[in-house]
Amino acid sequence: AQSVTQLDSHVSVSEGTPVLLRCNYSSSYSPSLFWYVQHPNKGLQLLLKYTSAATLVKGINGFEAEFKKSETSFHLTKPSAHMSDAAEYFCVVSEGSGNQFYFGTGTSLTVIP
Amino acid sequence: GAVVSQHPSRVICKSGTSVKIECRSLDFQATTMFWYRQFPKQSLMLMATSNEGSKATYEQGVEKDKFLINHASLTLSTLTVTSAHPEDSSFYICSASKGDFYGYTFGSGTRLTVV
Repeated sequence: AQSVTQLDSHVSVSEGTPVLLRCNYSSSYSPSLFWYVQHPNKGLQLLLKYTSAATLVKGINGFEAEFKKSETSFHLTKPSAHMSDAAEYFCVVSEGSGNQFYFGTGTSLTVIP
Repeated sequence: GAVVSQHPSRVICKSGTSVKIECRSLDFQATTMFWYRQFPKQSLMLMATSNEGSKATYEQGVEKDKFLINHASLTLSTLTVTSAHPEDSSFYICSASKGDFYGYTFGSGTRLTVV
């Protein structure tokens, strides 16, 4: 069975400081992992994806994530938060044929000026 | 490329009426489309998988007679919320794939409010 756990429902950081959004997963197979961002009243936007290539994945807007199989984690990081990063972030896992995504419950990121 | 258009973005309807939400792939043919629902402060929940030319596959707990899904062409899937009630108020979002596992694209979502 597959599941995704986002360890923090809410994260608050100051502008210019690092961002860490945590995600752990369980999967019976080699998973593909994604991070999506959702701004208010907007659709999901893909930040980055891991699909069994390099374990350190670089995405858009300065975000990156590292796949750690031993820890079953796929934490999202950014060196320096920007005000425009304030949004809801979803960690997503897909496996097998990839026809279905499983979403974490989301982490709301607040950036303090 | 790979743009998915969802319409309407917002809709307010009276209790007991039906609402149709459209999901269109604008520049590709989508063999499979997915419908999700998001409750406030919660994650997206998969409602159903829509395959062109066949019946949709609903997730456990989703009422197929209430949430009618039609995928009549390779570029259009519709979700109709029948006899809507206030508890159906939610954010509905679709995604589409042209068959490339890595190529899922999401629509911008529909905010449904039932009064």
